[in-house]
Amino acid sequence: DGGITQSPKYLFRKEGQNVTLSCEQNLNHDAMYWYRQDPGQGLRLIYYSQIVNDFQKGDIAEGYSVSREKKESFPLTVTSAQKNPTAFYLCASSRQGIDNQPQHFGDGTRLSIL
Amino acid sequence: AQSVTQLDSQVPVFEEAPVELRCNYSSSVSVYLFWYVQYPNQGLQLLLKYLSGSTLVKGINGFEAEFNKSQTSFHLRKPSVHISDTAEYFCAVSDNQGAQKLVFGQGTRLTINP
Repeated sequence: DGGITQSPKYLFRKEGQNVTLSCEQNLNHDAMYWYRQDPGQGLRLIYYSQIVNDFQKGDIAEGYSVSREKKESFPLTVTSAQKNPTAFYLCASSRQGIDNQPQHFGDGTRLSIL
Repeated sequence: AQSVTQLDSQVPVFEEAPVELRCNYSSSVSVYLFWYVQYPNQGLQLLLKYLSGSTLVKGINGFEAEFNKSQTSFHLRKPSVHISDTAEYFCAVSDNQGAQKLVFGQGTRLTINP
């Protein structure tokens, strides 16, 4: 079955450590997205990519970095510069085109600070 | 820029009762509108979308929503809820300018009481 796989499901970070969240999709979608979810705040866009080797900052990109070397993969690195990283992180993907296609979501990674 | 306001953070209802979850948006351009559902510790699943055409949109699990341009609203309704509808519901908007970035509301937690 096609879908989006996020790993790991739970992740713990020590102070001053960078961690990388994985997102892989086999839907052949061009666009991929990373969101951060905090209680009572909905989802906020961190980064998005519409094509391989290109990505743009979203609303809360500070303290995060991404890469898009393959169509299927869009890993997110939470750097030590992100002072409040505890959150639920969701990856999504969508087709591109003139008919706005809905985004499909993975099951998320919950990041906590040790 | 777009914004979305979900007017109720929590909605408790009894099983088999009707429910309406309210969503208002603001935008200076034409928009696409979406409702997503999130079950605990999972990603988001698309319930329905409005792109154009009929203002009454039917989705999965018996949900429907009505787009009202003059009131800038996109309220979600179900005539008779079930225990399994207990979840968090998110309204989202994107513009039709190509990037398909979603802006989410804060979410409404729907609790069904027996």
